[in-house]
Amino acid sequence: EAGVTQSPTHLIKTRGQQATLRCSPISGHTSVYWYQQALGLGLQFLLWYDEGEERNRGNFPPRFSGRQFPNYSSELNVNALELEDSALYLCASSLDRSSYNEQFFGPGTRLTVL
Amino acid sequence: AQKITQTQPGMFVQEKEAVTLDCTYDTSDPSYGLFWYKQPSSGEMIFLIYQGSYDQQNATEGRYSLNFQKARKSANLVISASQLGDSAMYFCAMRETDSSYKLIFGSGTRLLVRP
Repeated sequence: EAGVTQSPTHLIKTRGQQATLRCSPISGHTSVYWYQQALGLGLQFLLWYDEGEERNRGNFPPRFSGRQFPNYSSELNVNALELEDSALYLCASSLDRSSYNEQFFGPGTRLTVL
Repeated sequence: AQKITQTQPGMFVQEKEAVTLDCTYDTSDPSYGLFWYKQPSSGEMIFLIYQGSYDQQNATEGRYSLNFQKARKSANLVISASQLGDSAMYFCAMRETDSSYKLIFGSGTRLLVRP
């Protein structure tokens, strides 16, 4: 069974540009979560999508947005990039909304903003 | 608000010995889930073990076991017979029981296994 996949592995952008990160969940999983892990910091919750809808978002500005497609894959968009957006962005998928289902993480996309 | 605390920024352990990584949590919800993840230098978060608040027994998964002390609100991870490949960051996390079901992570513990 294929795990969660993310692309690209690395992404280098300059300030003010836009970045698009992609995530494919495990087959059969409908929930997708996005987390940001800045250098030296823990993981911070960004966004949650389930059944094609944005269900919840963390304490991030509106320039962080995304969507979930009918096949449950997801896209994270970061507009007007700032230096502090440099981080590892991790996507996780879960079978459904049950609180007892573990989240399986992808390998992450490392975004560098110059 | 729910909170996870990991007080050990770094730990050393000799190969083949056991090590305990500490995790305490704070929640007012009677129903919750606790998770441990391993993050190697590659960055991927690897699920290790899960403990539900109503589980009667401590969770075990191979060399990993969870020392769950509900009254003390602690969920320590025990790794037995440490291996060099166990060197990594370890994160304790709690599943939010509000409408988001997001994970709240601790700050992590970096474990280094010495040969």
